[in-house]
Amino acid sequence: QQQVKQSPQSLIVQKGGIPIINCAYENTAFDYFPWYQQFPGKGPALLIAIRPDVSEKKEGRFTISFNKSAKQFSLHIMDSQPGDSATYFCAASTYSGGGADGLTFGKGTHLIIQP
Amino acid sequence: SQTIHQWPATLVQPVGSPLSLECTVEGTSNPNLYWYRQAAGRGLQLLFYSVGIGQISSEVPQNLSASRPQDRQFILSSKKLLLSDSGFYLCAWSEGGANLGHQPQHFGDGTRLSIL
Repeated sequence: QQQVKQSPQSLIVQKGGIPIINCAYENTAFDYFPWYQQFPGKGPALLIAIRPDVSEKKEGRFTISFNKSAKQFSLHIMDSQPGDSATYFCAASTYSGGGADGLTFGKGTHLIIQP
Repeated sequence: SQTIHQWPATLVQPVGSPLSLECTVEGTSNPNLYWYRQAAGRGLQLLFYSVGIGQISSEVPQNLSASRPQDRQFILSSKKLLLSDSGFYLCAWSEGGANLGHQPQHFGDGTRLSIL
């Protein structure tokens, strides 16, 4: 059972455009939603994260929009650049209180920003 | 600052051979540690996590095991590798301790494991 569904699988956008990556989740106990960026041969790096008590969060050119009732969240990249070309993963987790909360990941979106 | 190291970066092993992948974290104490596997075209799957020395939780039944012999050392092992064990193995850490709320997970650069 895939608990976090991510789309699209791949995306090509012209430089300066706004790529949008969408994720949907099933487990209503999820309460933390990070996005990771991964370059080839490297581990994922945390970009931005949101909790369900807010509907939007911005950090630099990256924005997360969150719709709790629809159980959906999305990543927008403003003024996209070729250097943003990477694979992006959404993820979700619940808070156990004990300190270790494994992340459930989407399958990833391969993003290409064309010059 | 905190750093995480994984080695080796790449590994080619025959079917049936043993495996030992090591992960160490520097610059923090009592971290939570995680092992994930990333298969081609798929997201990361959590395999094991640990909140302290000797404390291991398994998320997925499999041919692998994990151990935490020291506070900042996390080891992924197998006695006999299967073809299906091929993949990109990633170690991650987050701040440890109860009632801290969600702490970001920071990943190493992974080990590319190929089974022949």
